[in-house]
Amino acid sequence: DAGVTQSPTHLIKTRGQHVTLRCSPISGHKSVSWYQQVLGQGPQFIFQYYEKEERGRGNFPDRFSARQFPNYSSELNVNALLLGDSALYLCASSRHGTGLTYEQYFGPGTRLTVT
Amino acid sequence: GQQLNQSPQSMFIQEGEDVSMNCTSSSIFNTWLWYKQDPGEGPVLLIALYKAGELTSNGRLTAQFGITRKDSFLNISASIPSDVGIYFCAGQPNTGANSKLTFGKGITLSVRP
Repeated sequence: DAGVTQSPTHLIKTRGQHVTLRCSPISGHKSVSWYQQVLGQGPQFIFQYYEKEERGRGNFPDRFSARQFPNYSSELNVNALLLGDSALYLCASSRHGTGLTYEQYFGPGTRLTVT
Repeated sequence: GQQLNQSPQSMFIQEGEDVSMNCTSSSIFNTWLWYKQDPGEGPVLLIALYKAGELTSNGRLTAQFGITRKDSFLNISASIPSDVGIYFCAGQPNTGANSKLTFGKGITLSVRP
């Protein structure tokens, strides 16, 4: 079975621009979470979506938004990019996201560079 | 944001040696997970722990869920060169709809042949 897939692999943007990152979860997984990982740090939680609804939000500004589609794929949008948004953006999928404990499996990530 | 405590930042061992890593938190977690990340890739799940005191093995890896629910340990036995990478611990609450992971900063493991 295919794992979590993310696109694009790499992206270079200019300050002030916006970006859309995409994620397809493992088949059968209904929950998608987004994380930001800056160099030398562990991933930081941004959003969790389950059944197309936001179920959790981390400490990120409103410039960050996301959505989940009927096929459980997801998009992460970042507006008004800042240099500090440069990071590896990771998507993770799990079978459920509501009060249950299921392992999260990560995709390869999208490397975003803001210049 | 909150992060779990992992130290030291780097570890250097000889091939064939065993290595232990621990992870601590000021908060209680109901699930502990250990991930390994290679450069330029996403974290790969190694072991998941669900009950305080639980000891779980996956091949040469053994992990334990601390009794206090505030710590976890990972042991790698008979290390090999492909064990090189960054090892992250992560805690997950099980208290409702939000099942976000909180990660440590990671430990970079180097294995000398």
